[in-house]
Amino acid sequence: QQQVKQSPQSLIVQKGGISIINCAYENTAFDYFPWYQQFPGKGPALLIAIRPDVSEKKEGRFTISFNKSAKQFSLHIMDSQPGDSATYFCAASSPGSSARQLTFGSGTQLTVLP
Amino acid sequence: DVKVTQSSRYLVKRTGEKVFLECVQDMDHENMFWYRQDPGLGLRLIYFSYDVKMKEKGDIPEGYSVSREKKERFSLILESASTNQTSMYLCASISGHATGELFFGEGSRLTVL
Repeated sequence: QQQVKQSPQSLIVQKGGISIINCAYENTAFDYFPWYQQFPGKGPALLIAIRPDVSEKKEGRFTISFNKSAKQFSLHIMDSQPGDSATYFCAASSPGSSARQLTFGSGTQLTVLP
Repeated sequence: DVKVTQSSRYLVKRTGEKVFLECVQDMDHENMFWYRQDPGLGLRLIYFSYDVKMKEKGDIPEGYSVSREKKERFSLILESASTNQTSMYLCASISGHATGELFFGEGSRLTVL
């Protein structure tokens, strides 16, 4: 069964600190790794995504680091802000399915203290 | 502004009732999904549809069915609601492109008493 394991389940960080969320996968056919951000009362929204042909992708304060040999990828939030407080989901998908299904991690609830 | 609309944000139903959750998207997307969100379990795929009248089972289809009569509308049906179906249900859609963005609705929180 395809799985994506995410940790930690919850994370508390001081304002200005670095938030790090980790994910590991088993299926080597996965070729697309997005992160989704969900604020309370809202649906998840795409934050940033990476393909395995690069080891890192940065967008503003958000960076995905990807380690293909270890089958792991992580989200780093630099200079974390209270407005970053949300639930973060990593995900992965493989080509070939008729609707490109995403397999999601279990989620990390991030709280950034002011 | 692109949108996935779930008509019911909060529902309270009794065990055994039939429940319909409706989802409409205005982006002309081919693919639509129903996920269930539970704390600590993430988002689990119930059913998806890649075309009108087409459907495929996801990871947890038991106790659910779906209907897609029009491209923009995807309905989730609980034939006989049970208390273990109390959850947040999220609808999503995506175009047919290989790595398009999955757009989610705001969710329908269902409580089954």
